[in-house]
Amino acid sequence: QVYLVESGGGVVQPKTSLRLSCAASGFTFSSYAMHWVRQAPGKGLQWVTFTTYDGNKTYYADSVKGRFTISRDNSKNTLYLQMNSLRADDTAVYYCARGDLRYFYYMDVWGRGTTVTVSS
Amino acid sequence: EIVLTQSPATLSLSPGERATLSCRASQNIRSHLAWYQQKPGQVPRLLIYDASNRATGIPPRFSGSGSGTDFTLTISRLEPEDFAVYYCQQRSKWPPLTFGGGTNVEIK
Repeated sequence: QVYLVESGGGVVQPKTSLRLSCAASGFTFSSYAMHWVRQAPGKGLQWVTFTTYDGNKTYYADSVKGRFTISRDNSKNTLYLQMNSLRADDTAVYYCARGDLRYFYYMDVWGRGTTVTVSS
Repeated sequence: EIVLTQSPATLSLSPGERATLSCRASQNIRSHLAWYQQKPGQVPRLLIYDASNRATGIPPRFSGSGSGTDFTLTISRLEPEDFAVYYCQQRSKWPPLTFGGGTNVEIK
């Protein structure tokens, strides 16, 4: 079975930092590109960031560029999202999602998400 | 950035009826569009990729069509488990990948 399990969410104050993790199992993690996608309460899906299978290329939404960093440790089958300078509008459920092996810009497996709340 | 506009926002139908959902792109995205389903309290599931290809395990009652700027997801006969929110997503010009605002298919 293929699993993605996010962790690291919580309630934090504005301008602080948080690091999310996503543990992968049931597939060859090092072969797949990965994404983070978020969903604000009661809202739709917003793509946040992407990394290639080897971590050599990364892309970001403008709203997080310069504040968030995606990384991965293929030896640990783990994806990360370092979030700095958090703002209230970063409040959301954060999902890690696997890019399809052939069409890596589509997401074929999703974790259950971890909730980040930014509030003073 | 390519903006995807989904309509209607809400679709009220009965089980067994046909559902037709629309997604319109602000620019030509060829066939570079996917559809996802999200049931309440659940994570999104990939249904259709590149406009008309069903993802693994997706039943044939789900079909996608369109190219350029206008796309359609059709559910031929709604099953009780199909009542959910549906999102389209483009990959034509990225970053960023963008999603539509969603269509909620609810039980009438």
